[in-house]
Amino acid sequence: LAKTTQPISMDSYEGQEVNITCSHNNIATNDYITWYQQFPSQGPRFIIQGYKTKVTNEVASLFIPADRKSSTLSLPRVSLSDTAVYYCLVGPLDTGRRALTFGSGTRLQVQP
Amino acid sequence: KAGVTQTPRYLIKTRGQQVTLSCSPISGHRSVSWYQQTPGQGLQFLFEYFSETQRNKGNFPGRFSGRQFSNSRSEMNVSTLELGDSALYLCASSRGENTEAFFGQGTRLTVV
Repeated sequence: LAKTTQPISMDSYEGQEVNITCSHNNIATNDYITWYQQFPSQGPRFIIQGYKTKVTNEVASLFIPADRKSSTLSLPRVSLSDTAVYYCLVGPLDTGRRALTFGSGTRLQVQP
Repeated sequence: KAGVTQTPRYLIKTRGQQVTLSCSPISGHRSVSWYQQTPGQGLQFLFEYFSETQRNKGNFPGRFSGRQFSNSRSEMNVSTLELGDSALYLCASSRGENTEAFFGQGTRLTVV
């Protein structure tokens, strides 16, 4: 699976938009990009997945440029409850969902 | 709909002992994957079972083994425990091909 690079940590304030960028220079043609969220002492939770351009759901948006060598998870108007670790994963869709390879993740701290 | 259930939630074992962890997937889910999470190594894939067969395996020693039963419930066994096996062990289930993985809350294993 393609290796990913994310910032180790980020700080934000309630109500702000947070953008977390993930680099994946060696992404393969059949790789998808998936983001998970993890709270302390809990299992990761699927947030969003995409292949190219932009994907949006009720929780977040995922922006993927044409070269697909990076992606940006956008969290609109964060709250204190968004404080968590966010993981970017890259891999084929069939293994991307089942044999997941997690990187170090980005620890997001939201302040009041 | 009940989520992924892992038992026990907490466990303390002595070096050299063996331990069995249990995972009950979401009803209808046939794929069960196991992960180890430690502060130093992060989240690492152990193995994945589908219809009682191991389909994928991570890079862990043979002391780590698992199995899946006909009702899709899965167990993970670690023999000859070492201090470094202290971790949060997470189980994830999915319906099978190309579907989202749902994680349990994990079993916190402490080896003393």
